[in-house]
Amino acid sequence: DTAVSQTPKYLVTQMGNDKSIKCEQNLGHDTMYWYKQDSKKFLKIMFSYNNKELIINETVPNRFSPKSPDKAHLNLHINSLELGDSAVYFCASSHTAGRTEAFFGQGTRLTVV
Amino acid sequence: GNSVTQMEGPVTLSEEAFLTINCTYTATGYPSLFWYVQYPGEGLQLLLKATKADDKGSNKGFEATYRKETTSFHLEKGSVQVSDSAVYFCALSDTGTGFQKLVFGTGTRLLVSP
Repeated sequence: DTAVSQTPKYLVTQMGNDKSIKCEQNLGHDTMYWYKQDSKKFLKIMFSYNNKELIINETVPNRFSPKSPDKAHLNLHINSLELGDSAVYFCASSHTAGRTEAFFGQGTRLTVV
Repeated sequence: GNSVTQMEGPVTLSEEAFLTINCTYTATGYPSLFWYVQYPGEGLQLLLKATKADDKGSNKGFEATYRKETTSFHLEKGSVQVSDSAVYFCALSDTGTGFQKLVFGTGTRLLVSP
């Protein structure tokens, strides 16, 4: 019954590898997001999709490529991983109608070694 | 751009103490305001929200009032419990581009001891 689920929960990988994180929501929302939380707990939006279309891209390196096959899914693919990519990545979703809350997944802790 | 400023943590309290976590915001227009809580190893959960000036959001004994005149949304609880230990994030909804995104403060860690 998880509203926003993302996999995997933990991901440990070597520099230079390519990895993906998957996210699915069953709330019927039409907007989905990826947020990055750094080691100091600071949260910053990376991408937002509305009905499968990219609407927000916050100057994230091109190595990060989101993909939304349908409005219930938003995956994040990362190429050529770097040490600085180590963080917790959160998927979230909300209704498009503005000023509403977002619902978050449990997070994926990515560690690049 | 829009931003949220929270007090630095950690905030350390004894059980049953009164809690205040300050939050102020800078925004054009009239954003909605939120408090989220993150327990260790978990994702963010919405704690409470307010959508317009003078609204009071409340949940689980926590409350916050949307103060437009002071651009503030301070979180309060009358009597904290050990189980309230977590990181608390103040956030606002930014619809500057026509689409929403949440802008978060830096988070405030609360530690409650028995």
